Amino acid sequence: DSGVTQTPKHLITATGQRVTLRCSPRSGDLSVYWYQQSLDQGLQFLIQYYNGEERAKGNILERFSAQQFPDLHSELNLSSLELGDSALYFCASSAEGQGSGNTIYFGEGSWLTVV
Amino acid sequence: DAKTTQPPSMDCAEGRAANLPCNHSTISGNEYVYWYRQIHSQGPQYIIHGLKNNETNEMASLIITEDRKSSTLILPHATLRDTAVYYCIVRVASRNNNDMRFGAGTRLTVKP
Repeated sequence: DSGVTQTPKHLITATGQRVTLRCSPRSGDLSVYWYQQSLDQGLQFLIQYYNGEERAKGNILERFSAQQFPDLHSELNLSSLELGDSALYFCASSAEGQGSGNTIYFGEGSWLTVV
Repeated sequence: DAKTTQPPSMDCAEGRAANLPCNHSTISGNEYVYWYRQIHSQGPQYIIHGLKNNETNEMASLIITEDRKSSTLILPHATLRDTAVYYCIVRVASRNNNDMRFGAGTRLTVKP
């Protein structure tokens, strides 16, 4: 158990719909990361937040957005869903600081199926 | 734009040591080497990381060459449960730039 909690574990929705994935980071971790893993692609970095602010952006589509709340939990919003958005979405978290290397710990993921 | 090169697949006999190589010839002085593994569709699991020195923990050992251009992850006594995709990642762990980018990894199959 990494300490990173993601909900829901499984989600089935129709094309064109909008869903929200939720992530609770490990206690004390200020950074949250979102990744997408499709069947035909590896782990793709989407976006990172640190203490409520966007820190880094990867291959995130304009239809997707994220935010981190004052209690440090994060949500990934996926809208106008397409069949190709079906994937595993992982959240990860890390502490901040320099020197020792900030290990990133992953949750167990949210399976999204778009039909 | 992964900065590492790993063999796509490897086999290992159960009970033997699994040695997984990684090439990171363009590594910078402030970049760490991280290893993660992913067991079929589970969340990636942290294994070990290092900067310059060799490291060992309860899961594995990490051997980094003196020039830091390559490293080897060693699972000393592989079991069937170690079958997974293993990712070698180089990453700057600084305040302003610490996201982690995964490559294709090495698919390790431990055989009875």
